[in-house]
Amino acid sequence: AAGVIQSPRHLIKEKRETATLKCYPIPRHDTVYWYQQGPGQDPQFLISFYEKMQSDKGSIPDRFSAQQFSDYHSELNMSSLELGDSALYFCASSLRLAGVDLEQYFGPGTRLTVT
Amino acid sequence: GIQVEQSPPDLILQEGANSTLRCNFSDSVNNLQWFHQNPWGQLINLFYIPSGTKQNGRLSATTVATERYSLLYISSSQTTDSGVYFCAVLNQAGTALIFGKGTTLSVSS
Repeated sequence: AAGVIQSPRHLIKEKRETATLKCYPIPRHDTVYWYQQGPGQDPQFLISFYEKMQSDKGSIPDRFSAQQFSDYHSELNMSSLELGDSALYFCASSLRLAGVDLEQYFGPGTRLTVT
Repeated sequence: GIQVEQSPPDLILQEGANSTLRCNFSDSVNNLQWFHQNPWGQLINLFYIPSGTKQNGRLSATTVATERYSLLYISSSQTTDSGVYFCAVLNQAGTALIFGKGTTLSVSS
């Protein structure tokens, strides 16, 4: 079965640079989420999209932005990178039914290292 | 917002032992998921279990929604079971998962 695809899998950037992470959801899933997991931490919700519209926003810095495109893939753009942005970034997808998100499936993650 | 607490934080087992991991949550939820994060960082779906009991091989899970807790049972543990086990519940808006801090399991041969 098709899974969530994320690219790149690893990324090394310097401080103040920008980064773009991509996510391709499971076919026919209409909702995409982004989570950030710091070292030794639990995943923290950043932002989600339903049918290409922003659905909910969590602890996402103003330096980050995201969007979902017409083919349902999503991109997370990160600017003015800081050392503290080093983390594992997960994308997840699900179906929404009657306003409630069903089971979320996670991609393999992008490991971002800021030096 | 909803609080999710997992216990124990750490667990060390010998291969073949059984274990029970607990997840308490502070409010009623529409969705609860258990994940296993392996040493390579992958988050693997174990159960989607808003209520009731499910089994998958050596793993099973029970959620008692009215009492706001879920249990994950691992029987005859293997070294490949090592990693972090996360419980996550859907927030009140039904739009994002709230994770617990996880239980780190180490299984030695």
